[in-house]
Amino acid sequence: DAGVTQSPTHLIKTRGQQVTLRCSPISGHKSVSWYQQVLGQGPQFIFQYYEKEERGRGNFPDRFSARQFPNYSSELNVNALLLGDSALYLCASSLDVNTEAFFGQGTRLTVV
Amino acid sequence: QKEVEQDPGPLSVPEGAIVSLNCTYSNSAFQYFMWYRQYSRKGPELLMYTYSSGNKEDGRFTAQVDKSSKYISLFIRDSQPSDSATYLCAPGWGGGNKLTFGTGTQLKVEL
Repeated sequence: DAGVTQSPTHLIKTRGQQVTLRCSPISGHKSVSWYQQVLGQGPQFIFQYYEKEERGRGNFPDRFSARQFPNYSSELNVNALLLGDSALYLCASSLDVNTEAFFGQGTRLTVV
Repeated sequence: QKEVEQDPGPLSVPEGAIVSLNCTYSNSAFQYFMWYRQYSRKGPELLMYTYSSGNKEDGRFTAQVDKSSKYISLFIRDSQPSDSATYLCAPGWGGGNKLTFGTGTQLKVEL
């Protein structure tokens, strides 16, 4: 079975631009969460979605938004990019909100 | 004070050693406790998942949770060079996906 897949793997954006990151969960998993990992730090929780509804939001500005589609895939959008948004963005999926979370390989975003 | 504290290391041990990795946390609402292994420039890989206090063993890995002292441990027996990675503790609550990660401990197992 395929694991959590994220696209793209790398991208470079300019300050002020907008970016959309994509995630496909493990087949059968209905919950998707997004994390930001800055170099040298642990991942930080951004959003959790379950059955297309937002179930949790971390301490991130409104420039960050996300959604989950009927097939349980998800997108993370970041507007008005700042240099500090440069990080590895990780998607995790789980069967539901109370089970183990499995991570994808991440999207490495560089803002210049 | 951070919600989850973890010694960043680096921790260097010889092959075959027993490794002890530890975390402390402050939020008593945490109910789920996960350990992840992360190789450089890769996504975290789930190693262990425990619920509430107690021990759980899986092969060379043992996870311990002491909720009374808010202390989490991961033991690695017979460590191998392939165990060289960053180990992240991640307690969670209200759902296994809302995880609060430590900064990670960098482990190097030397031949």
